[in-house]
Order: sequence, then C-alpha cells, then structure tokens
Amino acid sequence: EDKVVQSPLSLVVHEGDTVTLNCSYEVTNFRSLLWYKQEKKAPTFLFMLTSSGIEKKSGRLSSILDKKELFSILNITATQTGDSAVYLCAAFQETSGSRLTFGEGTQLTVNP
Amino acid sequence: GAVVSQHPSWVICKSGTSVKIECRSLDFQATTMFWYRQFPKQSLMLMATSNEGSKATYEQGVEKDKFLINHASLTLSTLTVTSAHPEDSSFYICSASAWDRVSPLHFGNGTRLTVT
Repeated sequence: EDKVVQSPLSLVVHEGDTVTLNCSYEVTNFRSLLWYKQEKKAPTFLFMLTSSGIEKKSGRLSSILDKKELFSILNITATQTGDSAVYLCAAFQETSGSRLTFGEGTQLTVNP
Repeated sequence: GAVVSQHPSWVICKSGTSVKIECRSLDFQATTMFWYRQFPKQSLMLMATSNEGSKATYEQGVEKDKFLINHASLTLSTLTVTSAHPEDSSFYICSASAWDRVSPLHFGNGTRLTVT
C-alpha cells in the first residue's frame, strides 16, 4: 500500500527558531516529492523535488530529497508567525495514470 | 503564474439534491485534474483522477455513481455530488497539472459543501 508519513504531526516553536519537517514515503512508480503549505484554504505549492541530494531554496525555506532512504525534509529558518500553517508533503506517482498521495501534514505553530 | 479556479467557493444544499463544482485551469492546459476532499484537521484524500477525454479513475471506497467527474476539455473538470447527504459535507479541492511545467500542480481554492 502506498503511504506517505510526516513527522512530527504537530510542532510549536517561538519566532526565530529553525524547524525541520520530515516526510518519508513508500510508493510505487515514484516520480517527485512535493511540499505544500496550507493555511485556511487550498494548499499553496512550495517545492517539487525530483532529483536526490539537490537542495531547493526559497527565502527561508529549503528542502531536499533522499531517494535512497525515501525521505525528504523541509527546513524553515528564522521562523515567523506567518509561517504557522499545515505543511503537506505528497508523493507523485506515475503509473497508467498520475497519482498524488499526501501525508497527514505537520501543523506548525510559531508563537511570537 | 499558473492559476486554477474553482467555483463555487462555498455551497449549502438540502439532502437529496445534487451539487456541481467546477475546476478550471486558467492559463495552461491541464492534462490531468485531481479531486480531493478534506475533513477538518485531516489531510487531503484523493477521490479521483481525471484525464481529459477519458473516464476518471476513482480511489478505493469512492462511489463513482455518487461523485460524477467529467473532464470534457483541457481546461475544465467538474465534480457533481449526487443525492447529497449530510455526511458529504466537506471541503472539496481540485488540482490541475500539465506535467511539462516546472511547478506541476496547482490547487483551486476549494469548495466548502454543507448539506443540511
């Protein structure tokens, strides 16, 4: 059975802290790993990772994929209250049809 | 950037009626569209995958006769919740992809369905 597991499920930090969110996956026909940020409505796209070991950065956020160990991490440095959200990772699989399997998400709360 | 428009953003309907939700890709051709539902404080659960011009592929446990999906063009997919019941109340989100783009998957803003 395809599965994507995120940890921790919930995290509370103070502004300025650095956080690392984890995502492991076991899926067939894996193609890419995607990270999303979800606040009150639909998720917004953060990163797509296809190659192993290549870090992607966007401001204070960065992410990397390890295709050998089947996991990815999302780092957020110097957190701000606006970073409070649910962070979702998803494994994109390409079989006879495309499929995206989401993890449960990590609820990040950044306190002032 | 790529935009996916979903309509309506919220709807209230009575039990037994049907509701149609539209998902449009505004500036790219979406070869594949995904439909998800999300219950409070839970992750997105894939309901079905639709490819333009072919029948949708439904996930296990999703009733295809209840959740009708049509993907008649490269820019429009619709989800119709037929004979809605209160337990169908949920947040429904579509996403669209054209896998030749760098950022392949964008989501609509979702539809909050409440069945009374």
